[in-house]
Order: sequence, then C-alpha cells, then structure tokens
Amino acid sequence: GAVVSQHPSRVICKSGTSVKIECRSLDFQATTMFWYRQFPKQSLMLMATSNEGSKATYEQGVEKDKFLINHASLTLSTLTVTSAHPEDSSFYICSARDWDEQFFGPGTRLTVL
Amino acid sequence: SQQGEEDPQALSIQEGENATMNCSYKTSINNLQWYRQNSGRGLVHLILIRSNEREKHSGRLRVTLDTSKKSSSLLITASRAADTASYFCATDPYNQGGKLIFGQGTELSVKP
Repeated sequence: GAVVSQHPSRVICKSGTSVKIECRSLDFQATTMFWYRQFPKQSLMLMATSNEGSKATYEQGVEKDKFLINHASLTLSTLTVTSAHPEDSSFYICSARDWDEQFFGPGTRLTVL
Repeated sequence: SQQGEEDPQALSIQEGENATMNCSYKTSINNLQWYRQNSGRGLVHLILIRSNEREKHSGRLRVTLDTSKKSSSLLITASRAADTASYFCATDPYNQGGKLIFGQGTELSVKP
C-alpha cells in the first residue's frame, strides 16, 4: 500500500513557541490530505482538510489562525501549531487519500511544557 | 458530535474466543473502514467495505455492513493476545470530499 510519512515523530516545546509538522506522501500524489488530533484514550478528531494549492477547510471549532496548514505541493502538507500551549499537547496524525483508501502517517506526539 | 458510535467501549476476552465490535453512523456513506491502533502508535488499516457490499472477509476478520440500519460489525475469530489494541470504524461520508469520520473506538484486551 501507499506510504505516508510524518516528521518529527515526537516534539517537546516550551509554551508560546510554534511547532511545524510535515506530512509527506512518498509514492503517490495527494491533492487532498487530512489532519487529525487524538487525545489520550480518545478517538481521532478531524481538524482540517488540506487542499493542494488552495486554503484548508477547517472543522467546526478548530481555530484556523492557531493551526496553520500549507499544502504547497502534491506530496507535502504542513501543520504549524502557533503559540502552543499545554492544552495543545496531543497526537497529531495526517492522512492522504489514494483513490478510495486513506493512508495514515505514523503520527507526531506533541508535548508542550 | 462528528463521531459515530461504537460498542462496546471495552471488551476483554480469552485467547481463542471471538470478538465482535459494532459501529453505527449517521449519514450516507461511500464506504466504511476499520482500523487498529496499538497504544501510542499509528493506525493500521484493516479492511474497507463499500456501501454496495454487505460482507467482507480478510483472514480472521469478517466485516458486515447494513446501510439500512447504518451499522457495521467487525468480527475477529480465534483471537490472539497480539490482537490486543483499540479498534476504530471510520466512515467516508457521501459528498464530503473524502474525509473520514471516526467512531469512538473499542478497546480490546485478549488475555493469554
């Protein structure tokens, strides 16, 4: 199956700093990628749909100015958590769609101190 | 809530027994997918069933889909300790651009 990578796999940062997470589709092109967030012992919640060459579409309740998404190429989407706070600590997972199947990255664990 | 419902929330069985997890959803769908997640790890895709399919098998996995009831079930036969994980259903809603909506998940524990 198709492969999606994420970088970094784990990041620890101080409160108030910004963190960038990359999501790459390695062997296919993805016009659409998705970003999810997962808190401990909970399910994945869709944050936004990342569209190549256009603005991301955010789910209700997700602050677009806090979670900046850029999808500049067909194989790369980035999520920047701006001015991170401890409550932003979570597991962030991206996915890319290839035909009718979605392939998920391994996730990025963000810890904000 | 954007999430579907899954039950049970937690399931504990002995090795060799079968495990059944159920998922209900709210909207018309293109397909429904089941994923497994080990603690703190990424998702593993298990099986995809399309809206025009009623049953699908993959190894020890059997998935059913009832679009009239908007529900699906995942059966794991002859469970093993290595099957211990969280299991999520995810729906691909019709006309929603391909995003997946996840259920709340079932935490399966298989005791050796």
